[in-house]
Amino acid sequence: KNEVEQSPQNLTAQEGEFITINCSYSVGISALHWLQQHPGGGIVSLFMLSSGKKKHGRLIATINIQEKHSSLHITASHPRDSAVYICAVHFGNEKLTFGTGTRLTIIP
Amino acid sequence: KAGVTQTPRYLIKTRGQQVTLSCSPISGHRSVSWYQQTPGQGLQFLFEYFSETQRNKGNFPGRFSGRQFSNSRSEMNVSTLELGDSALYLCASSLEPGPMYGYTFGSGTRLTVV
Repeated sequence: KNEVEQSPQNLTAQEGEFITINCSYSVGISALHWLQQHPGGGIVSLFMLSSGKKKHGRLIATINIQEKHSSLHITASHPRDSAVYICAVHFGNEKLTFGTGTRLTIIP
Repeated sequence: KAGVTQTPRYLIKTRGQQVTLSCSPISGHRSVSWYQQTPGQGLQFLFEYFSETQRNKGNFPGRFSGRQFSNSRSEMNVSTLELGDSALYLCASSLEPGPMYGYTFGSGTRLTVV
């Protein structure tokens, strides 16, 4: 069965801390997305990757194809980073399958 | 450049009614996909359209349907609404279907069924 698991479910940290959110999937994929959802519902696509590592500002996403695992890192976290972060994958050419999300709260 | 536009933003309907939601993709994007988000089930894929054809469908009953027009705008329809259909409905557009293209999401339509 094609599954996506995220951890942790909830994460609370102090401003400035280094944040890591993890995503594991059950079988080989063709692409993985990291999404950010703020209260109110709108979703922003942060990264799409199929191998290696990508960086945008304070955000870094990595993927290890052999271990079927991806991580999203946030450096120098800020309260505005508080949101739900969702991992989503394409198993082959199939539709997106989503993880359950990680609710991140950054305390000033 | 305008983003993905979903209308309406909020909707309240009564059980048994039907509802139509609209999604206008980014100009030039030809693929539109729809998702349902609930607290219990999270985000789930509903269907995907490309060139006015349904390309893929998720595990939802036949009460959920959709279509795409020649200008790539898409609508989804839910008939005989049930309380469990209360959810945030999101659409996303991409240049073309498939895993190699990124998605741009709309702000969603929050449907409440009473």
